[in-house]
Amino acid sequence: GENVGLHLPTLSVQEGDNSIINCAYSNSASDYFIWYKQESGKGPQFIIDIRSNMDKRQGQRVTVLLNKTVKHLSLQIAATQPGDSAVYFCAENTGTGGFKTIFGAGTRLFVKA
Amino acid sequence: EAGVAQSPRYKIIEKRQSVAFWCNPISGHATLYWYQQILGQGPKLLIQFQNNGVVDDSQLPKDRFSAERLKGVDSTLKIQPAKLEDSAVYLCASSRAGHPAFFGQGTRLTVV
Repeated sequence: GENVGLHLPTLSVQEGDNSIINCAYSNSASDYFIWYKQESGKGPQFIIDIRSNMDKRQGQRVTVLLNKTVKHLSLQIAATQPGDSAVYFCAENTGTGGFKTIFGAGTRLFVKA
Repeated sequence: EAGVAQSPRYKIIEKRQSVAFWCNPISGHATLYWYQQILGQGPKLLIQFQNNGVVDDSQLPKDRFSAERLKGVDSTLKIQPAKLEDSAVYLCASSRAGHPAFFGQGTRLTVV
């Protein structure tokens, strides 16, 4: 299948450990942020989102942190599982021009069993 | 709820030929996006529709790429003529206003 993320930064973690994936965004006017997971041969899959009026949001095993001061976003995955192995992208949205979703470069997560 | 449908799944063409991709968004999603994803990179937005109107096509190479969304539902993306550097996965996504985009599986284009 499609092998996304050949030359992307890679994070390697042991199964059961927590993972932290970081992302720097560029537009200070961005007001909505999304994390996507992309497995080989598939389109990006929505994980979790956060709006700019929040600095933390939790989902099932995932937490997103937003630091608007330094334009930084992170995704924390608790008790990482082999099925979490994928490329992770952060995406920023601005309401200007019709709510455009712009993707960052991505990080490849590799989970060792 | 059915997801975003794209076809074909794979396409191989020679340079200078033309190709078209089709997308059927999630029912009720007014916004439709086409992205180009080159191997090892994040998706790059080519064009964004709101219903049947273009919101943003600033990254679309208009000399060779065109897209339309008739009746505000299905969309087609066309490349004519194709170049070697157009080899990529073409992703279609749709969303409701102010909500995350949901993606199809993509069409993998190889230009030889």
